Amino acid sequence: AQRVTQPEKLLSVFKGAPVELKCNYSYSGSPELFWYVQYSRQRLQLLLRHISRESIKGFTADLNKGETSFHLKKPFAQEEDSAMYYCALHAYYGGATNKLIFGTGTLLAVQP
Amino acid sequence: GAVVSQHPSWVICKSGTSVKIECRSLDFQATTMFWYRQFPKQSLMLMATSNEGSKATYEQGVEKDKFLINHASLTLSTLTVTSAHPEDSSFYICSARQGGERRETQYFGPGTRLLVL
Repeated sequence: AQRVTQPEKLLSVFKGAPVELKCNYSYSGSPELFWYVQYSRQRLQLLLRHISRESIKGFTADLNKGETSFHLKKPFAQEEDSAMYYCALHAYYGGATNKLIFGTGTLLAVQP
Repeated sequence: GAVVSQHPSWVICKSGTSVKIECRSLDFQATTMFWYRQFPKQSLMLMATSNEGSKATYEQGVEKDKFLINHASLTLSTLTVTSAHPEDSSFYICSARQGGERRETQYFGPGTRLLVL
């Protein structure tokens, strides 16, 4: 069964500290993974996707198929990074039935 | 980037009434839109996939007669909560899909908070 697991509900770090938000997935096919972010009182927005291999706002995420993980990392956390982060898996069933499966989310709190 | 709007942003209604929520893609056409439900401090749960010109696909456990979805145009999908009850109170979020099969992106609306008294 397709599943996304984010083991931490809350991650609290100090400004300037490294951040790693964990995400593990279960998927029988070739996975396409995303990180979405939701800042306070704002809508959910795409942060990055693994196929783009890009760094957004200093965040990176590498797909590790052997460990079935897609952890989100940033070397130096900033206060403005405080938000809810969701890992998501794109499950392909063909055409219009493709859908995103979300993890339970991790609240990142960056303290001054 | 692409923008998705929802209307209303919040609604309070009496138990037994029906509530309609609109989801619009403002600057792109979306053949597929999605409706999610989010409980406080929980993740998004997909309720249904809305397909333009055809019936919606509901997730297991979601009552299709309770949550009516209409995707009448390429820029508008509506979710109607029929005979709402207090347990239907929640945050409802829609998203619209843009892009091709393997490069698609979902853009999310700001959500609609429903409170049923």
